[in-house]
Amino acid sequence: AQSVTQPDIHITVSEGASLELRCNYSYGATPYLFWYVQSPGQGLQLLLKYFSGDTLVQGIKGFEAEFKRSQSSFNLRKPSVHWSDAAEYFCAVGPTGFQKLVFGTGTRLLVSP
Amino acid sequence: DAGVIQSPRHEVTEMGQEVTLRCKPISGHDYLFWYRQTMMRGLELLIYFNNNVPIDDSGMPEDRFSAKMPNASFSTLKIQPSEPRDSAVYFCASRQGAGGTDTQYFGPGTRLTVL
Repeated sequence: AQSVTQPDIHITVSEGASLELRCNYSYGATPYLFWYVQSPGQGLQLLLKYFSGDTLVQGIKGFEAEFKRSQSSFNLRKPSVHWSDAAEYFCAVGPTGFQKLVFGTGTRLLVSP
Repeated sequence: DAGVIQSPRHEVTEMGQEVTLRCKPISGHDYLFWYRQTMMRGLELLIYFNNNVPIDDSGMPEDRFSAKMPNASFSTLKIQPSEPRDSAVYFCASRQGAGGTDTQYFGPGTRLTVL
């Protein structure tokens, strides 16, 4: 069965510093991969998604993610974090042809001044 | 578009009471999903519908939970009787299309507290 691991429960980054959130998946074939962000009291918003092609995916709000098949990873990055990026970030995997998304447990990002 | 609408946003009830959560998907979307989010288990898919028909309810925790979609613009998730362990945030999401590339749009959630 497919699974997603987000090894970092909390991460604190200084405003203006770079960010990388880790995501590892377990699946037999190339899955569809997603990153969602959840602000406090809000629903999940899609940041970006990967299905095929270029392994570096650009998303909204200046985020990008890189699919690395050899490492079964799909890490999220941002070159310069803003205070408004403080939120919880979820990585998800969706096996090709299915509707179910399997979510990781999330990483809470704190941004310090 | 107003996005996915959920009501109520907060619900506090006592153990044993019936709870009904409501969802209005984005117009034109033919898939609807119900998720539950807890600290212990994260975000779990409970059930999803396609064209108002339940397709997979394997995530529904037990018979106390039921979901319906009487038409394309409305769905309910009912818990009867409710228990304290049902306390969670319940999200509804919708999407258009059958391909895995299509985006799920989430509602703001209903925070349920069962005392």
